[in-house]
Amino acid sequence: EDQVTQSPEALRLQEGESSSLNCSYTVSGLRGLFWYRQDPGKGPEFLFTLYSAGEEKEKERLKATLTKKESFLHITAPKPEDSATYLCAVFGGGADGLTFGKGTHLIIQP
Amino acid sequence: SAVISQKPSRDICQRGTSLTIQCQVDSQVTMMFWYRQQPGQSLTLIATANQGSEATYESGFVIDKFPISRPNLTFSTLTVSNMSPEDSSIYLCSVTTGGNEQYFGPGTRLTVT
Repeated sequence: EDQVTQSPEALRLQEGESSSLNCSYTVSGLRGLFWYRQDPGKGPEFLFTLYSAGEEKEKERLKATLTKKESFLHITAPKPEDSATYLCAVFGGGADGLTFGKGTHLIIQP
Repeated sequence: SAVISQKPSRDICQRGTSLTIQCQVDSQVTMMFWYRQQPGQSLTLIATANQGSEATYESGFVIDKFPISRPNLTFSTLTVSNMSPEDSSIYLCSVTTGGNEQYFGPGTRLTVT
């Protein structure tokens, strides 16, 4: 059974204070690892797809990396508008859908 | 990507009743998915809905409780039947548009009293 564990559950940073969010996963035959951003009262917003170990993707202040067992979402010099819940999900095995972690609730204080 | 809308955006329903949630996409898609997001929990896949075939349900979800329709390539409905307070959740529709990425609708927030 595919499993995704995200840590920490919650993270409070000062504006400009860089950090990383962790996503550990177990999946039979990874076909993709996804990062989403979810704002309160909204559906998840797609950020990145990573397919193989060593791959990296960047978007503005965010960079996602992937190893064979985990993925990191690095946030550089965050701003208050980066505050959200960040979700990690895997696509693998014979599943059609995604297996999600519980998310990291990120708060950036001005 | 795709633009996805859901109706209703939220509802408060009484125990024992049913609610049908609609999902509309701005382009034709092969695969549509329905997820549930319970308070403080991760998103859980309920079923996959492909046009022209029966929906495929995940373990723990059954057609009698969550019947799904997929009449065409841009539309799907999920019905939550005989509701109980444990069904209070956010229900989300998602689609793929050729790749493996899934794009999500805004969700329907359901409260059962």
